[in-house]
Amino acid sequence: QLHLQESGPGLVKPSDTLSLTCTVSGGSIRSSNYYWGWIRQPPGKGLEWIGSKIGSSYYGANTFYNPSLKSRATMSLDTSRNQFSLTLTSVTAADTAVYYCVRTYGDYMVDCWGQGTLLTVSS
Amino acid sequence: QSVLTQPPSVSAAPGQTITISCSGSTSNIGVSYVSWYQQVPGTAPKLLIYDNSKRPSGIPARFSGSKSGTSATLGITGLQTGDEANYYCATWDTSMSPGWVFGGGTKLTVL
Repeated sequence: QLHLQESGPGLVKPSDTLSLTCTVSGGSIRSSNYYWGWIRQPPGKGLEWIGSKIGSSYYGANTFYNPSLKSRATMSLDTSRNQFSLTLTSVTAADTAVYYCVRTYGDYMVDCWGQGTLLTVSS
Repeated sequence: QSVLTQPPSVSAAPGQTITISCSGSTSNIGVSYVSWYQQVPGTAPKLLIYDNSKRPSGIPARFSGSKSGTSATLGITGLQTGDEANYYCATWDTSMSPGWVFGGGTKLTVL
């Protein structure tokens, strides 16, 4: 059974760069059928998609980002470690949220979620 | 402001039936599959419905989904106290910047 586990610093200062990693077990991220991505949820609010990246390099660097993040987000895959990562630059208090790493099956569904990790932006 | 529009809340008694609407546009629901997610507070969302109306293994038949034009609907029959949660619709938006879009969520209260 596929399992996704997020890891991150928990607390970052305003204007810093946030880095989160998702470790995947029970399946390979090298797949042309699946995208690997991030969704966040500010406290008490709804879900916001951050970005998705295809698992197979055969299709090139097929990556999509939420335009509302204004190019602050970058995703990468480490197939040797079966991990993928998110980097978010110039963070502000508005980036405080629970961050979920997810697997999506094409554009059909988000079929697997990590348990989520809380990131707080505060000085 | 979410791209997809859901009612903020819905409530009903155990055993009753409810529906939750999700309204979008021709660039998202109108051309893409809709999925629904259940989120019990403090936990990660869980896939409930995909491809507009299909249920993953383990999801009871009490949960159903449908789509018509640029709107979708989640239905729950025989409400149970364990169904109390937040429900989100989602779909792929095919606009200039394609990506996943979500509804704002609907809080279901089972009275």
